[in-house]
Amino acid sequence: AQSVTQLGSHVSVSEGALVLLRCNYSSSVPPYLFWYVQYPNQGLQLLLKYTSAATLVKGINGFEAEFKKSETSFHLTKPSAHMSDAAEYFCAVSSLLDDYKLSFGAGTTVTVRA
Amino acid sequence: EPEVTQTPSHQVTQMGQEVILRCVPISNHLYFYWYRQILGQKVEFLVSFYNNEISEKSEIFDDQFSVERPDGSNFTLKIRSTKLEDSAMYFCASSEQAGPYEQYFGPGTRLTVT
Repeated sequence: AQSVTQLGSHVSVSEGALVLLRCNYSSSVPPYLFWYVQYPNQGLQLLLKYTSAATLVKGINGFEAEFKKSETSFHLTKPSAHMSDAAEYFCAVSSLLDDYKLSFGAGTTVTVRA
Repeated sequence: EPEVTQTPSHQVTQMGQEVILRCVPISNHLYFYWYRQILGQKVEFLVSFYNNEISEKSEIFDDQFSVERPDGSNFTLKIRSTKLEDSAMYFCASSEQAGPYEQYFGPGTRLTVT
């Protein structure tokens, strides 16, 4: 079975500062990895995904993530936080073995200080 | 941009009652999913559906749950006899293909069982 662990349920950053959200995965087969964002009262929106192509993946809104197999990690970063980045972020993993269903982490809530 | 819609946004029901949660997936999508998130917990996979039958279901998806695509546009989740522990946010998702492709999520239905 596959799983992800997100380190830190809450992250607070200053506007303009680096955003770093940590995600570690566990999978017995090559994983597909995703970051989703959820704004208040909205559904989950895909930020970016890793599907075995380039290990550095760029997504929407200036976010990017790097797949590191040796560290079983897929951390999400954004160089400069914006007030609009305040939301909850979910890391998820899927694979052929699990019929591509998504297994989510517990989520990280990001607050941005002015 | 096409989006997944869900109705109602909030449903309150008494324990033992039947509820039907409705979803309209994106029109050219073929794969449909239900996930749920109990307050404070992870988003969990419930069931996937393709070609008018269940592809995979989780342990949570017991005989009290059923899914249906009654027409060409709607995708429903029925809970026959609700329990207090069914209180959660239920998300519908759809994707164009099977595999590591984006699953598009609806805004969710918050189910409260009293």
